[in-house]
Amino acid sequence: AQSVTQLDSHVSVSEGTPVLLRCNYSSSYSPSLFWYVQHPNKGLQLLLKYTSAATLVKGINGFEAEFKKSETSFHLTKPSAHMSDAAEYFCVVSDRDFNKFYFGSGTKLNVKP
Amino acid sequence: DTGVSQDPRHKITKRGQNVTFRCDPISEHNRLYWYRQTLGQGPEFLTYFQNEAQLEKSRLLSDRFSAERPKGSFSTLEIQRTEQGDSAMYLCASSLAAMNTEAFFGQGTRLTVV
Repeated sequence: AQSVTQLDSHVSVSEGTPVLLRCNYSSSYSPSLFWYVQHPNKGLQLLLKYTSAATLVKGINGFEAEFKKSETSFHLTKPSAHMSDAAEYFCVVSDRDFNKFYFGSGTKLNVKP
Repeated sequence: DTGVSQDPRHKITKRGQNVTFRCDPISEHNRLYWYRQTLGQGPEFLTYFQNEAQLEKSRLLSDRFSAERPKGSFSTLEIQRTEQGDSAMYLCASSLAAMNTEAFFGQGTRLTVV
């Protein structure tokens, strides 16, 4: 079965400093992985996805993630946090046929001025 | 608007009442999913449709829950005899099966059972 573990429930950074949100996955086959962001009272928005192409994936708003098979990780990074990045972030793995998406428990990112 | 649309956005109901939510997917998408999200948790899979066929249901979907997608377009999720534990955000998503790619989510329906 597929699953993801988000290692931090809350992360707090200062504006302009780097962001690191950690995610480890478990999958019985080569996974497809996603990061979604959820702002208050907004829907889930896709930030980026990995589907067995390049291991370094670039997404929207300056975010990127690196797929590391040896570490079963898919951490999300951004060089410089902006106040508008404050939100909840979900790491997601799909099943083989994209019939189901398995969400982590989420990481709330707080950005301090 | 080309996104996934859900109605209503908010619903407050008394315990024991029935409620129905509607989801309109992105028009060319043949897959439609329902998820439930409770406070402090990530969304959990409830069920999915490919066209009008309901292909899988989670064990979270008790017999009080029923979902339909009669013509392969919009979908409804009905909860009968609501309980306080049903209070959650109900999310709908859609995707194009042929592309084997991400799901696009609606803004959700927040249900509060009092």
